[in-house]
Amino acid sequence: KAGVTQTPRYLIKTRGQQVTLSCSPISGHRSVSWYQQTPGQGLQFLFEYFSETQRNKGNFPGRFSGRQFSNSRSEMNVSTLELGDSALYLCASKPGQGFYNEQFFGPGTRLTVL
Amino acid sequence: AQTVTQSQPEMSVQEAETVTLSCTYDTSESDYYLFWYKQPPSRQMILVIRQEAYKQQNATENRFSVNFQKAAKSFSLKISDSQLGDAAMYFCAYRPGANSKLTFGKGITLSVRP
Repeated sequence: KAGVTQTPRYLIKTRGQQVTLSCSPISGHRSVSWYQQTPGQGLQFLFEYFSETQRNKGNFPGRFSGRQFSNSRSEMNVSTLELGDSALYLCASKPGQGFYNEQFFGPGTRLTVL
Repeated sequence: AQTVTQSQPEMSVQEAETVTLSCTYDTSESDYYLFWYKQPPSRQMILVIRQEAYKQQNATENRFSVNFQKAAKSFSLKISDSQLGDAAMYFCAYRPGANSKLTFGKGITLSVRP
């Protein structure tokens, strides 16, 4: 099976712009979670989608949003970019919401905001 | 709120030697998972080992084993016969029940001396 894929791998934007990142989960996986990784704050949970519904949300401002499509692919959007949004954005997928489900991570999208 | 603490930012080990990475966590939940993830320079997050809280037996995966002390809320990772390829950042993570949200520690950078 192919692993979790994220596109694009690298992105450069300027302050005030918006950006959309994409995540394709492992085939058959219905849950997709997003994380932000920065040197200062470490790895922080953004949100989780399961069957096109947001199930969990971390402590991020409303500028961060996401969605999931019927094929389980997920996108996250950041509007009005700030310098502090520069980070590695990781997505992770798992089959469902069972206790035993393991999450598999993608390679990440490196976002740089200038 | 759940927290995960990795107090050592860096460690170094001689090739073929054994090293132990420390992690403590805080939770009021009774059912949860604990994980160690490895993040090499490629930034791909790789699951090293996991431990179910209800299991008293410590998890083992080849050269990797954990020392899980539930009462002390401690979860350390032991790497035996260290190899150059073990050099990476290691993150301790916690996940409550069937929830997908992972709470990560700040990570520790492990270097392996040839």
